[in-house]
Amino acid sequence: QVQLAQSGAEVKKPGASVKVSCKASGYTFTGYYMHWVRQAPGQGLEWMGWINPYSGSTNYAQKFQGRVTMTRDTSISTAYMELSRLTSDDTAVYYCAKDRITLAGIIIPSFEYWGQGMVLTVSS
Amino acid sequence: DIQMTQSPSSLSASVGDRVTITCRASQSVSRNLNWYQQKPGKAPHLLIFDVSSLQRGVPARFSGSGSGTDFTLTISSLQREDFATYYCQQGYGTPPTFGQGTKVEIK
Repeated sequence: QVQLAQSGAEVKKPGASVKVSCKASGYTFTGYYMHWVRQAPGQGLEWMGWINPYSGSTNYAQKFQGRVTMTRDTSISTAYMELSRLTSDDTAVYYCAKDRITLAGIIIPSFEYWGQGMVLTVSS
Repeated sequence: DIQMTQSPSSLSASVGDRVTITCRASQSVSRNLNWYQQKPGKAPHLLIFDVSSLQRGVPARFSGSGSGTDFTLTISSLQREDFATYYCQQGYGTPPTFGQGTKVEIK
C-alpha cells in the first residue's frame, strides 16, 4: 500500500531553515509528481509546489519563490522540502502529497495520498 | 490565482441527514475540481476527483456534481464518521487552490 512517511516535528528560530523529508513506499516513486502543502494552525490548505521525482524539475508557488527548495533522492525514494528565512507565519503542518496522475499525463494536481504531516513551530 | 469559495463555512447536521456543500470558483476550472475530507489532527483524504469520480474505497453516499464555476459535494445520509472538515480544490490553474473549508458538526 502507498505510504508517505514524513520526518518529525521541529522547532526553529526566526531566520533559520528547515528541511522536511518524505519517504515514499508502495508505488514507483519516480512515476508521480510529489507536492508539498501546508496548513497553518486552524487555517486552510496552501499549496507550496511540486517536484517531478524522475527529472528533478520543480514548480514553486510564487509566494515561496526564493525561499523554498524541493529535491529528491531516488535511491531511497525520498522527497525533501527546505524552507529558509523562517518567520512565525511559517508555523504550520507541512504535508507531502502524491499526485493521482502519472508523470506521463498533463499535470492537473490532485492529491491522492498524503504524508502524516510535519509540525513546524517557529518561535524565538 | 483562482479563488475558491465554499458555503457554508460550517453546518450542524444529524446522522442520516442529507448534506450539501457548495464550492464556487472565481473563474472556470472546467472539470478539474476535487474534494477532500479532513479529520482533526489528520491529513486530508481525497474523496472525489474530476467533479464526480469517487476515489477508491470512498463510500457511495458521497457524490459530486457541477461544472465550470459551481460545484457541489453531497452526502446522501450522514454517518457519524463523516463529521469532519471538507475542502474543495481546483487543479485547473496554477497554483492549485483550496476552498476555506466547511466544517460539518453534530447537531
